[in-house]
Amino acid sequence: GEDVEQSLFLSVREGDSSVINCTYTDSSSTYLYWYKQEPGAGLQLLTYIFSNMDMKQDQRLTVLLNKKDKHLSLRIADTQTGDSAIYFCAETGFQKLVFGTGTRLLVSP
Amino acid sequence: DTEVTQTPKHLVMGMTNKKSLKCEQHMGHRAMYWYKQKAKKPPELMFVYSYEKLSINESVPSRFSPECPNSSLLNLHLHALQPEDSALYLCASSQETTGGGGVSNQPQHFGDGTRLSIL
Repeated sequence: GEDVEQSLFLSVREGDSSVINCTYTDSSSTYLYWYKQEPGAGLQLLTYIFSNMDMKQDQRLTVLLNKKDKHLSLRIADTQTGDSAIYFCAETGFQKLVFGTGTRLLVSP
Repeated sequence: DTEVTQTPKHLVMGMTNKKSLKCEQHMGHRAMYWYKQKAKKPPELMFVYSYEKLSINESVPSRFSPECPNSSLLNLHLHALQPEDSALYLCASSQETTGGGGVSNQPQHFGDGTRLSIL
């Protein structure tokens, strides 16, 4: 089956760095994505990485990809209370986008 | 602000009602998607349209009927729904790269969803 795994919950203090991890299953995935979902809202595309890259940086966001271990991570620098949300990783599986289980990030002042 | 617009934002309907969810995008995307999301779960794919033709139906019950009138619009017609159909329904769109045969690997852009409650 296709199970993209994420830890359920992460709590950090404002100003700290947050690291959200994801283990995916399909080694043939072309792109891997990170989406953010705030309460009552849809999914916001945060960033994505092509499978032949190891790292991508976009302002406060850093994505690391370890293809050997099928491990993807999202680092948020200087985490703010507005970053509190659920974060989903996603891989381009066979014929569809496969989402991870989601990580709820709680940022406290 | 999202570039994919969904209406209505909230919908409450009885099990005998007929209603429609609407989705619109003006990004020139030729692939459009419907997802269902239950609370605290990831979205689940329902339908994929590619170049206005239905390319994927993930074994969705016939009480959900999708329609793609043109390249910018996607509808989901609802009839005789069950209480377990209460969920957030998300629309997404992307550039099309498969030639009509599957799900594009291009980034999908989501609307804010319609929260549906079945009484």
